[in-house]
Amino acid sequence: DIQMTQSPSSLSASVGDRVIITCRASQSISSYLNWYQQKLGKAPKLLIYAVSSLQSGVPSRFSGSGSGTDFTLSISSLQPEDFATYYCQQSYSTPKTFGQGTKVEIK
Amino acid sequence: EVQLVQSGAEVKKPGESLKISCKGSGYNFINYWVGWVRQMPGKGLEWMGIIYPADSDTTYSPSFQGQVTISADNSISTAYLQWSSLKASDTAMYYCARPIIPWDAFDIWGQGTMVTVSS
Repeated sequence: DIQMTQSPSSLSASVGDRVIITCRASQSISSYLNWYQQKLGKAPKLLIYAVSSLQSGVPSRFSGSGSGTDFTLSISSLQPEDFATYYCQQSYSTPKTFGQGTKVEIK
Repeated sequence: EVQLVQSGAEVKKPGESLKISCKGSGYNFINYWVGWVRQMPGKGLEWMGIIYPADSDTTYSPSFQGQVTISADNSISTAYLQWSSLKASDTAMYYCARPIIPWDAFDIWGQGTMVTVSS
């Protein structure tokens, strides 16, 4: 299985801050990297697929970058509704594993 | 509106069997893969497996192979996840989800089914 490692596991930030979450794959996954947001008690929501493609309806303050094994999710100006847990996922090979999650909390 | 609607919460005893469901609507169910994702209490997301309803082609994560069965009934646009003998460690929220092809990112999610296994 491809292992996905996110960092940090949690972070505290203020409204308006720029936030960066990183995700590293244990082997190259080409551009098959996706990002999800999950709020407490809710199903995950797709934010970005194929490294940098913004899912319809997702605000443009979210962006993704990277290639091969190293990827980032950026939130340009953190909003109150962005406090949640974020997961990366590789969809290059089965099983299509997720990272362990990054919890973004209010400072 | 494209949506996946899952069956309700279940409370079962160890050793019992269970089949939970995921009904697709608003799209041609048979032509889209449907996957299952587990989330144990307070933990992260785990990809379990996926089915293509048109031909029942199914792939499992090695971690779940032999532990669960994924199936579909195209006549009612419904996918299923089933256990023959539940364990306490099966206690979790289970989500079904539909992926974007070819990227296999899950863009449509069910609301989740909470399965509690306790004696």
